[in-house]
Amino acid sequence: TQLLEQSPQFLSIQEGENLTVYCNSSSVFSSLQWYRQEPGEGPVLLVTVVTGGEVKKLKRLTFQFGDARKDSSLHITAAQPGDTGLYLCAGANTGNQFYFGTGTSLTVIP
Amino acid sequence: DAGVIQSPRHEVTEMGQEVTLRCKPISGHNSLFWYRQTMMRGLELLIYFNNNVPIDDSGMPEDRFSAKMPNASFSTLKIQPSEPRDSAVYFCASSLGLRNSEQFFGPGTRLTVL
Repeated sequence: TQLLEQSPQFLSIQEGENLTVYCNSSSVFSSLQWYRQEPGEGPVLLVTVVTGGEVKKLKRLTFQFGDARKDSSLHITAAQPGDTGLYLCAGANTGNQFYFGTGTSLTVIP
Repeated sequence: DAGVIQSPRHEVTEMGQEVTLRCKPISGHNSLFWYRQTMMRGLELLIYFNNNVPIDDSGMPEDRFSAKMPNASFSTLKIQPSEPRDSAVYFCASSLGLRNSEQFFGPGTRLTVL
């Protein structure tokens, strides 16, 4: 059972385009993180959101935590080839249980 | 800091053999996580430790898998006997604290069971 479903599973876009990746669940999480993983490496943390409705920006990346703390989105503006990778959301509940999402594989074509 | 260290980086073994994966967390981190990643199932949490004590092992597939953390600087994940369906990349991660803490991942061990 996957508690965190991500969509789309695969995304291939041209450099300069905008995109949004979604992370959805029927469960409530106390916090949610986004990681990016490049081939042959482990995931690296991008951001942590803890408050419902919270929006965080990291350069061209905008992260939002849903009001009910069940979902999140990642928006990338003017995508660049360096943004290519596997994007993973990860949620933690109040019982200190951790779950990673199904992942979105992004390819940005120069 | 050297980051999380895992060994070996690659392991090829035959079905039925014992496999031991090793992890050295970042010094000072008190939480350690073992994950398995496959194309079909994505990144799965197998077990995690806090202050060397196993907290949640509900992700361990079956009795063939066992994990230990004898001290704050070392952990092992053992598979005995190994099966072809165990083939995956196994990651170790460590963090300072739990819930909202950043997990720092090692480079992973790619396991192939023939």
